[in-house]
Amino acid sequence: QVQLVESGGGLVKPGGSLRLSCAASGFTFSDYYMSWVRQAPGEGLEWLSYISSSSSTINYADSVKGRFTISRDNAKNSLYLQMNSLRVEDTAVYYCARDPNPPTGTRYFDYWGQGTLVTVSS
Amino acid sequence: SYELTQPPSVSVSPGQTARITCSGDALPKKYAYWYQQKSGQAPVLVIYEDTKRPSGIPERFSGSSSGTMATLTISGAQVEDESDYYCYSIDSSGNHKVFGGGTKLTVL
Repeated sequence: QVQLVESGGGLVKPGGSLRLSCAASGFTFSDYYMSWVRQAPGEGLEWLSYISSSSSTINYADSVKGRFTISRDNAKNSLYLQMNSLRVEDTAVYYCARDPNPPTGTRYFDYWGQGTLVTVSS
Repeated sequence: SYELTQPPSVSVSPGQTARITCSGDALPKKYAYWYQQKSGQAPVLVIYEDTKRPSGIPERFSGSSSGTMATLTISGAQVEDESDYYCYSIDSSGNHKVFGGGTKLTVL
């Protein structure tokens, strides 16, 4: 069965950096687009970034563009999110999600990990 | 920036039909997707491409879309359907991927 397991969250000071990882199993990772989505405490969902199966196409939400970098290692079945210049408002649970890459070309998410909490505070 | 608007809350009694709406200017041309999120858990896809139901999702969940509004319908809502529900779609350019603000469904 599809499994996505995030790690790397924790407490970081404003201006600091953190790298999140997502370990995928139960499917052919290299066939799928992947995304990161976050949820601030008590708030709704916010899409952050996606990466194509070959890493040739990458897109970011305006809120993280220039600060966050998505990447993947298909040999390791892993997705990453490098987060720099972190702000208090980046505090959230960060989810990795699989994108089924449908023929429509519309990005969406069919499986999600359980998330990892990132807290940005001094 | 693009926005999807959902009612903050919907309440029904067990066995009744719950309808959760999502409005957005691009919905006449873009698909809507619906996610269920129970407290403390990850979201689960319940409807994709307006009307399609993933395997394993009960038949009481259905979706529709007309004009600028998409609707998630839960026919014969059960207590276990109490969750937050989020719609998701993209803007007309395809560049902005947006979730609605979420609707808390209460079944009691």
